[in-house]
Amino acid sequence: EVQLVESGGGLVQPGGSLRLSCAASGFTFSSYEMNWVRQAPGKGLEWVSYISSSGSTIYYADSVKGRFTISRDNAKNSLYLQMNSLRAEDTAVYYCARVEEAVTMYYWGQGTLVTVSS
Amino acid sequence: QSALTQPASVSGSPGQSITISCTGTSSDVGSYNLVSWYQQHPGKAPKLMIYEVSKRPSGVSNRFSGSKSGNTASLTISGLQAEDEADYYCCSYAGSDVVFGGGTKLTVL
Repeated sequence: EVQLVESGGGLVQPGGSLRLSCAASGFTFSSYEMNWVRQAPGKGLEWVSYISSSGSTIYYADSVKGRFTISRDNAKNSLYLQMNSLRAEDTAVYYCARVEEAVTMYYWGQGTLVTVSS
Repeated sequence: QSALTQPASVSGSPGQSITISCTGTSSDVGSYNLVSWYQQHPGKAPKLMIYEVSKRPSGVSNRFSGSKSGNTASLTISGLQAEDEADYYCCSYAGSDVVFGGGTKLTVL
């Protein structure tokens, strides 16, 4: 059974940093692209970042470019999102999703809540 | 990276059909057959309903169908059921970006 479990969310002050993790199981992690997608409270879905199966190709939304870094460790079946210089508008539930062809997200985690507030 | 345009809300009675539009540009929807649709119930993770414009994942009811014409993609739900009431999001590849629509709230009357 495919499982994606996010962790690392919490309350952080503006300007602070947080590292999210996504533990994958039930499939060959190294064969799949991955996305981070977020959803602010009461708002719609927003794509955050994409990483190819090998990690060689990475994309970011303009809203996080230069502040967030996506990475993966295929040996540990894990996906990461390093978030720096956090702003109030980064407050959201962050989902990791297994991807095919960039936008076909068959499997999603349950999400982890990041709250940026003083 | 402008969001795709969806109607904020649509509604229909049980048994009826509804269509949700998703309008992009020649840089996203119009250029790639990589449009997907997601259903999201309150407090739940999104669920893939349609991928590559019109393909249905296994386990998704054939009441759900997708299409595209020019810069606009569409999701049609036929034979509306109470459990279809949810938020629906379209998503398109846009070169080095991925863009979502703003979401459409479907109400089953």
